[in-house]
Amino acid sequence: DQQVKQNSPSLSVQEGRISILNCDYTNSMFDYFLWYKKYPAEGPTFLISISSIKDKNEDGRFTVFLNKSAKHLSLHIVPSQPGDSAVYFCAASARNYGQNFVFGPGTRLSVLP
Amino acid sequence: DSGVTQTPKHLITATGQRVTLRCSPRSGDLSVYWYQQSLDQGLQFLIQYYNGEERAKGNILERFSAQQFPDLHSELNLSSLELGDSALYFCASSVITTGELFFGEGSRLTVL
Repeated sequence: DQQVKQNSPSLSVQEGRISILNCDYTNSMFDYFLWYKKYPAEGPTFLISISSIKDKNEDGRFTVFLNKSAKHLSLHIVPSQPGDSAVYFCAASARNYGQNFVFGPGTRLSVLP
Repeated sequence: DSGVTQTPKHLITATGQRVTLRCSPRSGDLSVYWYQQSLDQGLQFLIQYYNGEERAKGNILERFSAQQFPDLHSELNLSSLELGDSALYFCASSVITTGELFFGEGSRLTVL
């Protein structure tokens, strides 16, 4: 039973364009969401987070949108750069219930020059 | 550099053997987590420790065990290894039990 889903295993985008990575969750108790980026042979690195009290959080080229009613969040990268090519993991937790993070299966983003 | 250190980086062993993976969390972080990533799979949560005590258990096999020591470093013990245990094992740490996770670079285990 996958509580966090990333239905696109891979995504290719042209350099300079927008990359949109999607994530869906099933547990309505989730109240805190993170995105991680992972390069080959490295550990995942934290990118951006959003709490359920917000519907948008921005950090430079990265923006995360949360739609609680749809149990959906998305990560927008604008403009996309070749260095953004990596696997992106969505993670969710029910912080108010002390629950650990649950990770999605990841989406491999390729930004083409 | 996340501040989380994992050793060894690579390990090759045979079926039936036992290995120990080690993790030093970021300075000040009390929570340590272990995750397994099999080939092209997502991150599967194995187990969490907080300040020396087991806090949560995920999909951890009975052949696997872990502990967190008084100096907060943690070890993951994998025994009676099978081919399917070949994976990347990540350790992560956080300040509180539900804070952002900071990951180490992983230990790649290959079971032949």
